[in-house]
Amino acid sequence: NAGVTQTPKFRILKIGQSMTLQCTQDMNHNYMYWYRQDPGMGLKLIYYSVGAGITDKGEVPNGYNVSRSTTEDFPLRLELAAPSQTSVYFCASKAVYEQYFGPGTRLTVT
Amino acid sequence: DAKTTQPTSMDCAEGRAANLPCNHSTISGNEYVYWYRQIHSQGPQYIIHGLKNNETNEMASLIITEDRKSSTLILPHATLRDTAVYYCIVSPLMNYGGSQGNLIFGKGTKLSVKP
Repeated sequence: NAGVTQTPKFRILKIGQSMTLQCTQDMNHNYMYWYRQDPGMGLKLIYYSVGAGITDKGEVPNGYNVSRSTTEDFPLRLELAAPSQTSVYFCASKAVYEQYFGPGTRLTVT
Repeated sequence: DAKTTQPTSMDCAEGRAANLPCNHSTISGNEYVYWYRQIHSQGPQYIIHGLKNNETNEMASLIITEDRKSSTLILPHATLRDTAVYYCIVSPLMNYGGSQGNLIFGKGTKLSVKP
């Protein structure tokens, strides 16, 4: 089991560019999540999904979009990147109680 | 906003027990207490959870007060590798009362284990 994998590990974007952060889990979990973590802060929920075809907004969804066409994959799309989106992004999937987190994507927007 | 209160930082000597407190005075009857930790810049790692009984697993013990308004995470023999930020989170199980059981992370407690 690879668990939750994320690509890329690092990325530098210019203001106004777009990109997709990839997340894949091999545990057949229905629930998946995207968080961002700014320096010195806790994680904030961006979007989550309770199953293929079903997504919902979290605490900080503005500037992001998601889709969930399969159980395994939950990509996060950034459109028109802004410096405020500089952060570390974590994807997670959930078993009954515990969430399993990926290693993160460190994104810098300049 | 997070519904828990934790000390900003704590120190612990290597080999001693680390006791991390958490206040959750507004916890609801259907909410569990979860503990996660984050080592350096890695993704958070689940440690343990409980509803009202004390719980123990291979990583830690969780002691919840009878009124459920506070809890303590115990690492029985702390090692240098336990240096991390520890998050205490209260949340209902998914699909209970319309909630999806999402986690709200505060700033946690920075635990430093010293030789």
